[in-house]
Amino acid sequence: QQPVQSPQAVILREGEDAVINCSSSKALYSVHWYRQKHGEAPVFLMILLKGGEQKGHEKISASFNEKKQQSSLYLTASQLSYSGTYFCGTEVRNGANSKLTFGKGITLSVRP
Amino acid sequence: EAQVTQNPRYLITVTGKKLTVTCSQNMNHEYMSWYRQDPGLGLRQIYYSMNVEVTDKGDVPEGYKVSRKEKRNFPLILESPSPNQTSLYFCASSTRTEETQYFGPGTRLLVL
Repeated sequence: QQPVQSPQAVILREGEDAVINCSSSKALYSVHWYRQKHGEAPVFLMILLKGGEQKGHEKISASFNEKKQQSSLYLTASQLSYSGTYFCGTEVRNGANSKLTFGKGITLSVRP
Repeated sequence: EAQVTQNPRYLITVTGKKLTVTCSQNMNHEYMSWYRQDPGLGLRQIYYSMNVEVTDKGDVPEGYKVSRKEKRNFPLILESPSPNQTSLYFCASSTRTEETQYFGPGTRLLVL
């Protein structure tokens, strides 16, 4: 079952902030965030493991609320290079088996 | 250079003509997977493999086969392609499910 991402699309002006959300109905072991530019492969941003930690990478950070099975990606002072489609991937574990499922993605456009 | 390679990158074929898309990684990764990407549907997992000779169905396995005879290779086989398998296909690999997924460049398939 795919995680649900919201909002469906984001349009920003350069320098503005944005929050992208990802939620699942299942108990998660980890949440992944990737960005894909048009015509290219998805590129890794960050992974958050069970434990509710928050991670940061330059002006992009993320949090994982284990109780709510939700993760949020925070983009601060957006740059033109942030434009793309953002995917979250949620990992569910069942014994020795582990499954990673990606959401439908959110298109983010940063305008000058 | 650490990478995931896919071949071919572009393929036009006809209904029913068997084809194989190859995926190879040079990072000694145990976990490999195949995704298809369609507009509005995000990345949907076709099959995944947690190690050599260990494969399992993803969310959309119908019409596809895979094999994992060697650690570095994970070919995707379409025994009898149909037009609804027209899509952009990505192979990915990682050390474990909760680690960074490295995506190949993608294979764009058109089935007439």
